[in-house]
Formats: sequence, C-alpha cells, structure tokens
Amino acid sequence: EPEVTQTPSHQVTQMGQEVILRCVPISNHLYFYWYRQILGQKVEFLVSFYNNEISEKSEIFDDQFSVERPDGSNFTLKIRSTKLEDSAMYFCASSVGPQETQYFGPGTRLLVL
Amino acid sequence: GQSLEQPSEVTAVEGAIVQINCTYQTSGFYGLSWYQQHDGGAPTFLSYNALDGLEETGRFSSFLSRSDSYGYLLLQELQMKDSASYFCAVRDGDTGRRALTFGSGTRLQVQP
Repeated sequence: EPEVTQTPSHQVTQMGQEVILRCVPISNHLYFYWYRQILGQKVEFLVSFYNNEISEKSEIFDDQFSVERPDGSNFTLKIRSTKLEDSAMYFCASSVGPQETQYFGPGTRLLVL
Repeated sequence: GQSLEQPSEVTAVEGAIVQINCTYQTSGFYGLSWYQQHDGGAPTFLSYNALDGLEETGRFSSFLSRSDSYGYLLLQELQMKDSASYFCAVRDGDTGRRALTFGSGTRLQVQP
C-alpha cells in the first residue's frame, strides 16, 4: 500500500539555524500539506500546496517558513531561522483531491536547542 | 473558525465497547473525520462521515448528526493495541478550506 514518507525521522538543530524537512507524498496525490504537533498537544495545520503554489496557510506559517516542490516527487518545508518554539513533530500529508482523505507520513521530530 | 470538543481520556477493558464523542462548531461543515495516533506515531485515518448516520469499518464505527453538530467513534471488541489517542477533525466547507482542524484528542487506555 502506498504511503507518505518523510526524512529525517529526527532533527536536532541550534536556534537560528535553517532546517529543511523532506516528504515524498503518495505518487498519484495532487494536494500536499504540512502539519505540526507540539508534544502533548493537538495536530495543527501549517500550509497546503497544489499545482506548485500555496493554496492556504495558517497564522503559524509566517515568513520564516517556506515550502517547495523541487522535483516530481519531493515536497519540502524550510524553516529559515529556527526558534525554540519550533520544536515539534512535523507531519506531511497528501490527498488525491482537495476534499479527499488526507494520509499522513510518519513525521519528523524537530528539536531546537 | 472551527472548534472541536472531545473527552481528554477514556479507560476501558479488553473486549469492551467504548464510545468517543466529538462536538464541533464550524462556520461551515464538510465532513467529520477520525484519526488514530499511537505514541510517537503519525495520525492514521480511520473513518469519515459527510452525511448523517453510521459508517462501519470492521470493529470501528463512526456516527454523525449534523443537526446536533455531534459525532462519535465506536470501538468494539477492544484490544490492547487500540490504546492510542483518537482525534476528530473537520474541514470548513463554506470557505472550501482544505485544512483539517483537529480536536485535542482522546487518550484511550485499554486495560487487561
């Protein structure tokens, strides 16, 4: 069964450093998403992406964040200058259509020191 | 905006039936989804209700009443592996938003 994959599984970085989180969505899916989950809290939406552009974003997704689809398979989330409060689990998800079920990857646990 | 309410914790024994409720407030509505998440794992899709009524998938069923802005997830014949957090989630239909808004999750503890 096809699944969303994410790398790395864990990332430790120093405050102020840039990080890039990578995702490979399910191959026939057209809509891609990033969510995050701070430890012990609920999953929160960051951004959705379709047709090589952002279709919607939350208040969390400020100028420090960016997304890109650099090639036909990868979908990346970049945090330019990490802050302590960026420490969280970051989940990538994809769906066939805009209102179809979203399938989540295993997540990248980001720790900012 | 959207908000969802669900109990924070539920405890049950193996073999039992448990119901996890979810009430929601949205400016529009486009279906109620349920996800399971084991500790340290990814949210895994369980079920989706767009219309009123019961959807059954094996041991799990989900119910929706749009007039009451209420749904529940029913887990039958509980197994130890069902110990996890369960999240309800909605999508805002009026604005056509694709983003899922999640509840705070219900932690289910299954005891022997």
